[in-house]
Amino acid sequence: EPEVTQTPSHQVTQMGQEVILRCVPISNHLYFYWYRQILGQKVEFLVSFYNNEISEKSEIFDDQFSVERPDGSNFTLKIRSTKLEDSAMYFCASSPNYSPRLTRLPNEQFFGPGTRLTVL
Amino acid sequence: GQQVMQIPQYQHVQEGEDFTTYCNSSTTLSNIQWYKQRPGGHPVFLIQLVKSGEVKKQKRLTFQFGEAKKNSSLHITATQTTDVGTYFCAGPGGYSTLTFGKGTMLLVSP
Repeated sequence: EPEVTQTPSHQVTQMGQEVILRCVPISNHLYFYWYRQILGQKVEFLVSFYNNEISEKSEIFDDQFSVERPDGSNFTLKIRSTKLEDSAMYFCASSPNYSPRLTRLPNEQFFGPGTRLTVL
Repeated sequence: GQQVMQIPQYQHVQEGEDFTTYCNSSTTLSNIQWYKQRPGGHPVFLIQLVKSGEVKKQKRLTFQFGEAKKNSSLHITATQTTDVGTYFCAGPGGYSTLTFGKGTMLLVSP
């Protein structure tokens, strides 16, 4: 069964450093997402991506964050200058290849295993 | 986006007991999804409810969507240790995004 993969599984960085979290969504999916989950808390939406551009983003997704789909398979989240409060589990997710514009419903989302980011 | 409130935050049951988690919204939801996250794992989609009053079953799990489409519940009959995890409801957060509730952590003692 196809699945979303993420690398690395754990990233430790110093405050102020840039990090890039990588994801390979399921191959025939068209919508991609990043979420974060601070330890013991709920899953928070960061950004959605469709047709090579950001579709929606939350208040958390400020200028320090960016996403990119550099090729046909990878989907990356970059944090330019990490802060202590960026420490969290970051989940990538993807949705099947039908447009919500037609169904008007959010798609079932398939989550990757996550990257645990620790900022020291 | 819409906010969804989930209760209880935590529940500890003995194996074989039933479990229910509730999800509430102050506004009407077009649909609601449920996810399960095992300890140390990632959210896994369980089901999506769309219709008012809808009830869906998956083995020992029963999902309901309220008549007013403002609340939903997940009921597990005769819990097993494999049911351990956090159960999240998620409502529409935007055009194609989800807003997750805070989740209910279920612990099952053998």
